[in-house]
Amino acid sequence: DQQVKQNSPSLSVQEGRISILNCDYTNSMFDYFLWYKKYPAEGPTFLISISSIKDKNEDGRFTVFLNKSAKHLSLHIVPSQPGDSAVYFCAASALGNQFYFGTGTSLTVIP
Amino acid sequence: DTAVSQTPKYLVTQMGNDKSIKCEQNLGHDTMYWYKQDSKKFLKIMFSYNNKELIINETVPNRFSPKSPDKAHLNLHINSLELGDSAVYFCASSQSRGRNTEAFFGQGTRLTVV
Repeated sequence: DQQVKQNSPSLSVQEGRISILNCDYTNSMFDYFLWYKKYPAEGPTFLISISSIKDKNEDGRFTVFLNKSAKHLSLHIVPSQPGDSAVYFCAASALGNQFYFGTGTSLTVIP
Repeated sequence: DTAVSQTPKYLVTQMGNDKSIKCEQNLGHDTMYWYKQDSKKFLKIMFSYNNKELIINETVPNRFSPKSPDKAHLNLHINSLELGDSAVYFCASSQSRGRNTEAFFGQGTRLTVV
């Protein structure tokens, strides 16, 4: 039973434009949300996170938005660069316990 | 200076064999995990160890057993391998004692059972 869902398996965006990756969750106990980036043949690497007490966290070109009432979060990348092409995983945890991951969205940034 | 390292990176073995995957972290974290990424790319938690105690065990066959000789290591032993065990296995660690923080992942071990 998946508690974290990423309904878009893939996304293509032109270089310089905004990439928006979406994630939905079902467990209202989740209080910490993360985005990971994964290149082929490598492990996921941490990108950005947000606590449930916030609705926005920004780090350079990356911004994560959290809508608790909708149980939805999104990752915005602007401007998108070809090096951003990777699989992006959304993850969530409750009280520092295990991380639940979505199935990932493969982002392709077209030069 | 790899933070989380796992070996081997690739493992090809026959059905029925017993194999182990090793994981070590040098981050001083108190919690380590094993995740399985199946053919559908879903990253699913298998085990986590906190201070040498198993705190989570999802619906994983008992052919899989984690072994933690110390806080920096969490090895995964798999007995009587089956075709369906073919997947990429990721080790991870975090400092999770009662607070929110990210997990750091190893590069993965691609297990192929033939």
